[in-house]
Amino acid sequence: GEDVEQSLFLSVREGDSSVINCTYTDSSSTYLYWYKQEPGAGLQLLTYIFSNMDMKQDQRLTVLLNKKDKHLSLRIADTQTGDSAIYFCAETRGYSTLTFGKGTMLLVSP
Amino acid sequence: NAGVTQTPKFRILKIGQSMTLQCTQDMNHNYMYWYRQDPGMGLKLIYYSVGAGITDKGEVPNGYNVSRSTTEDFPLRLELAAPSQTSVYFCASSYPTSGGIQETQYFGPGTRLLVL
Repeated sequence: GEDVEQSLFLSVREGDSSVINCTYTDSSSTYLYWYKQEPGAGLQLLTYIFSNMDMKQDQRLTVLLNKKDKHLSLRIADTQTGDSAIYFCAETRGYSTLTFGKGTMLLVSP
Repeated sequence: NAGVTQTPKFRILKIGQSMTLQCTQDMNHNYMYWYRQDPGMGLKLIYYSVGAGITDKGEVPNGYNVSRSTTEDFPLRLELAAPSQTSVYFCASSYPTSGGIQETQYFGPGTRLLVL
């Protein structure tokens, strides 16, 4: 199966919080990332977390890392319709490369 | 800075034709990457380069070739196009931290390739 796994779809109402989950397998990963992809566009880096951290907050975004369970989550507070996109979790492999999950499609309804 | 630029944005190829996907970055990044994204899938690494003159295979290199003669450019070559190469191709670049670990990859807008 995939080395980085994510649920494929999440639907929330505008104003609610969204939580997107990811599990990874490489315990030596140094950085873990969240990327956003809007329709027809490339990937945009949202945030990342270093593996010695448990949590990182950046405005509406909160990243939680559980190294023991190899679980990463992205929480988006006060979700807006403009947040509708595909969100990719990625982990570093070695010094130079990333491995991506299949992506979670977030649909925000008014 | 323009960041990472890719050309063309869209291309239709016949089976057996060849083409080169262009990628240029103006951020003086050492590391550059080519990924393909198939529908409903994550990105798969095709090739990467840690500097001019150095390239390495990624997860799915078969059917592709790359070169890195300058820091700025990292073209991807398809020699004999096959329908299985229908995909969206993304180029990315990054700069290693002082510890040598690449921290952030910046992506181009993608090239959509259809092989018929």
